[in-house]
Amino acid sequence: GAGVSQTPSNKVTEKGKYVELRCDPISGHTALYWYRQSLGQGPEFLIYFQGTGAADDSGLPNDRFFAVRPEGSVSTLKIQRTERGDSAVYLCASSTGPSGELFFGEGSRLTVL
Amino acid sequence: AQKVTQAQTEISVVEKEDVTLDCVYETRDTTYYLFWYKQPPSGELVFLIRRNSFDEQNEISGRYSWNFQKSTSSFNFTITASQVVDSAVYFCALPNNLFFGTGTRLTVIP
Repeated sequence: GAGVSQTPSNKVTEKGKYVELRCDPISGHTALYWYRQSLGQGPEFLIYFQGTGAADDSGLPNDRFFAVRPEGSVSTLKIQRTERGDSAVYLCASSTGPSGELFFGEGSRLTVL
Repeated sequence: AQKVTQAQTEISVVEKEDVTLDCVYETRDTTYYLFWYKQPPSGELVFLIRRNSFDEQNEISGRYSWNFQKSTSSFNFTITASQVVDSAVYFCALPNNLFFGTGTRLTVIP
């Protein structure tokens, strides 16, 4: 596609539920990043993929968070046993490489009730 | 430590004034890239500039200019003759987009 696409744009769930957020990067971009952004804060790095592998997952807050990119294109961020503190906008970005400019999607707003 | 500090939380200027947004960073990397991004009210982050730590020359792009000083670990951003459309939150990021500052909210008053 022309830009980075994220679905859903909004997700409301209950505490304890499982959530999947999808990111479709710009075609040909090998690098894919996930961030989360809380109100009034900067993007907080979660995980970075180069191709199919997670090159850096040091930002994942705990083992409830997991992300995959099985074919080196679309990525899914998975959150188990959601907590109210997980509420945020989850941003995906893609790039031509690890030092390239990022192209961001519009984000998926997650609200955990 | 890897850290980006944008000490200015909010700035308001009157249209046509110049404004400088500060960014100070810490990194253990010897070579790295620095970035600035803009987040307008619509919410989507937009890339503004990327600089290599080897290149300390100032850069100008239209009304935007950047001053990178490795000796003071600073990468400041100046908007000349500000316009209402410049109102947004601006983020500094490094190295290689892993760490973002908390952002500076710029409001340009007509």
